Amino acid sequence: AQTVTQSQPEMSVQEAETVTLSCTYDTSESNYYLFWYKQPPSRQMILVIRQEAYKQQNATENRFSVNFQKAAKSFSLKISDSQLGDTAMYFCAFMKPITNAGKSTFGDGTTLTVKP
Amino acid sequence: DTAVSQTPKYLVTQMGNDKSIKCEQNLGHDTMYWYKQDSKKFLKIMFSYNNKELIINETVPNRFSPKSPDKAHLNLHINSLELGDSAVYFCASSHGGIGQPQHFGDGTRLSIL
Repeated sequence: AQTVTQSQPEMSVQEAETVTLSCTYDTSESNYYLFWYKQPPSRQMILVIRQEAYKQQNATENRFSVNFQKAAKSFSLKISDSQLGDTAMYFCAFMKPITNAGKSTFGDGTTLTVKP
Repeated sequence: DTAVSQTPKYLVTQMGNDKSIKCEQNLGHDTMYWYKQDSKKFLKIMFSYNNKELIINETVPNRFSPKSPDKAHLNLHINSLELGDSAVYFCASSHGGIGQPQHFGDGTRLSIL
């Protein structure tokens, strides 16, 4: 079974600075998908970024980028120029490449607070 | 327009009651899910359906019964509610292809008295 570990339960960062959230996973699969989701205090879970394991290039979405190290099974999220609206709980998720199922295993989450 | 909508947003009820949570998505997705998020924010999948067929059924008490009348709807019925059922329940949907991200609803906070 896959496991996803987020070792930082809570983090804080000053507005406009950069912060990195860590995620490691354990799997015997060679191909899979990784995601970061954001859950603001309003509760709705929103996709931040998606990475395909067979792609070596790190995914980027505006201020959000990942450092994907397949051999180390590490998938960290970097948030640049942090904004107050980035305050949220961030979940790392692993998905096996199963058709029509999309089963994801989520980490326990990291609560990020952006301070003014 | 709400993409994945759940009703109700809040549900307060007594132990032993039966309740249902409804979920609808207007994204044209063919796969839908139910997740449970406990008080510590741990998120665990419960069920997933693809084209109205059950695909994933995690270790969930059989008091929980999902029903998918069509691709756009996945409802969750819970019998004989227990204190441990208190949680936020999230509905989600995705395209059925490999590696597709999920779109989540706002969640339903279930509180058992």
